[in-house]
Amino acid sequence: DAMVIQNPRYQVTQFGKPVTLSCSQTLNHNVMYWYQQKSSQAPKLLFHYYDKDFNNEADTPDNFQSRRPNTSFCFLDIRSPGLGDAAMYLCATSTDSYEQYFGPGTRLTVT
Amino acid sequence: AQSVTQPDIHITVSEGASLELRCNYSYGATPYLFWYVQSPGQGLQLLLKYFSGDTLVQGIKGFEAEFKRSQSSFNLRKPSVHWSDAAEYFCAVGPPDSNYQLIWGAGTKLIIKP
Repeated sequence: DAMVIQNPRYQVTQFGKPVTLSCSQTLNHNVMYWYQQKSSQAPKLLFHYYDKDFNNEADTPDNFQSRRPNTSFCFLDIRSPGLGDAAMYLCATSTDSYEQYFGPGTRLTVT
Repeated sequence: AQSVTQPDIHITVSEGASLELRCNYSYGATPYLFWYVQSPGQGLQLLLKYFSGDTLVQGIKGFEAEFKRSQSSFNLRKPSVHWSDAAEYFCAVGPPDSNYQLIWGAGTKLIIKP
């Protein structure tokens, strides 16, 4: 089945230690999104790619970076995680549409 | 400013009872409308969507939603809830000029009483 895959599902990192989360998709969608979701809150858009065009939300901290080497893969890099970055990170895809398909998420813990 | 309001943070319903979750949006034209469900520790799953046409839309898992333009609402309903429906429900709106970005409501947590 076509899907959005996120690895790992659970990630523990130390304060200040860089971490990379990955997302892959078999849907061949041209738009990919990264969201941060804290407990009992709505997802917050960090950035998205329309094809190779990167779109950063104005309030996304510089600590967060992203790479999209090809259509199928997208990475979220957190350069120096702080305790406040502990959250669920969700990847989503869409194709010239507002209908977004989500992966299962990566739960990030910062110790 | 564009916004989505889900006025109920929590709703508790007995198993087998009917359910209605409210969603109101603030936008001049009719946006694209969505309901997503999120089980604990999971990603979001699309329940249903409204783009145009029939204002009563059917979704997965027995859910339906009705778009009411005059009330700027898109309420989610289910005639009889099951314990497995316990989850967080998010209403989302896609304004046509938003470059495929969604505006999210704060979510409603559904609790099912046995």
